[in-house]
Amino acid sequence: DGGITQSPKYLFRKEGQNVTLSCEQNLNHDAMYWYRQDPGQGLRLIYYSQIVNDFQKGDIAEGYSVSREKKESFPLTVTSAQKNPTAFYLCASSTGSGEETQYFGPGTRLLVL
Amino acid sequence: EDQVTQSPEALRLQEGESSSLNCSYTVSGLRGLFWYRQDPGKGPEFLFTLYSAGEEKEKERLKATLTKKESFLHITAPKPEDSATYLCAHGSSNTGKLIFGQGTTLQVKP
Repeated sequence: DGGITQSPKYLFRKEGQNVTLSCEQNLNHDAMYWYRQDPGQGLRLIYYSQIVNDFQKGDIAEGYSVSREKKESFPLTVTSAQKNPTAFYLCASSTGSGEETQYFGPGTRLLVL
Repeated sequence: EDQVTQSPEALRLQEGESSSLNCSYTVSGLRGLFWYRQDPGKGPEFLFTLYSAGEEKEKERLKATLTKKESFLHITAPKPEDSATYLCAHGSSNTGKLIFGQGTTLQVKP
């Protein structure tokens, strides 16, 4: 079955630690996205990538980094510079034509120890 | 500034009691209006995409409609399994970026 997988489902971060969230898709989509979801604030875009080896900052990129070395993979690193990382992180993908639907993965919940 | 606003924030219905959720937007060039359903602790599940005023789409008990400035998600004779948060989003540029509203949390009681 085609879809988007995210791992882990839960992730715990210690002070000063960088952590990486995985996102993989087998939909052959060109575009991939990372969103952060906080209660009462909806989804906010962190980074997006429309093609391999290229990515753009979204609205809240500070404290995060990404890479897009393969079409199917778009990992997100939450760095120690992100002072409030506790949130639900969602990865999405789309065909990349600009008006198309984005499909979401199951999410990763990041908690700070 | 492009903005999406959903109302109400929360809605409680009795099973079978029909109602509507509202999504209003200020956009410089609408490129699709999207509705998603999200269950607690899960990723959003795609429901509908609307592209032009007057367009309507239906799926089971749900019908989405679109005008120039807002969209409605009509829920007819809801069941408890329709309880979820419903998100609306619009695309506003050729980057494929979506701007989301805060969502409406629907609870349907038996």
